[in-house]
Amino acid sequence: AQSVTQPDIHITVSEGASLELRCNYSYGATPYLFWYVQSPGQGLQLLLKYFSGDTLVQGIKGFEAEFKRSQSSFNLRKPSVHWSDAAEYFCAVGVREGFKTIFGAGTRLFVKA
Amino acid sequence: SQTIHQWPATLVQPVGSPLSLECTVEGTSNPNLYWYRQAAGRGLQLLFYSVGIGQISSEVPQNLSASRPQDRQFILSSKKLLLSDSGFYLCAWRTGNEKLFFGSGTQLSVL
Repeated sequence: AQSVTQPDIHITVSEGASLELRCNYSYGATPYLFWYVQSPGQGLQLLLKYFSGDTLVQGIKGFEAEFKRSQSSFNLRKPSVHWSDAAEYFCAVGVREGFKTIFGAGTRLFVKA
Repeated sequence: SQTIHQWPATLVQPVGSPLSLECTVEGTSNPNLYWYRQAAGRGLQLLFYSVGIGQISSEVPQNLSASRPQDRQFILSSKKLLLSDSGFYLCAWRTGNEKLFFGSGTQLSVL
């Protein structure tokens, strides 16, 4: 069965520090991979997506993610975190059956001054 | 441009009462529609999806049901709410395998 694992429930980083959020997926075929961000009480906004091609994808707000097939991972990175990046981040895999998107449990990012 | 409307934004209902949450999409046709639930401190759980009018697939057994009476309308219902139905409900749509577009969500509290 398809699944997404985000091993870190929450992460705290200092403003200006680098960030890496981990994501591992389980899917038998070539996956479509996504990272979404959610501010409190809001819907989700897409940060970036990977369908094929270059395994390093750039997204909005200075985020990037790297697809590593051998590790079944799609980690999200940002070189310098801003206080406005504090939110919950969800990794997701798109599966062909029913065009479903399966989400991880999320990682809440706290940014300290 | 495409928009998605979801209402109400907040709902407080007693245990055993019925539920109807509505979601409508504008600016696209034949979208795939989805209902997700987000419990406090947890990720998004896919509840239902629909690839066409009258076509509903349920992902998890539960006290809820969904219907799609029109191409761009998706309704989440319950005949009798349980305490465990509390959560943040998100409607979403997409065409093909592109990204999901989410509504602003409904915070449901069952008391």
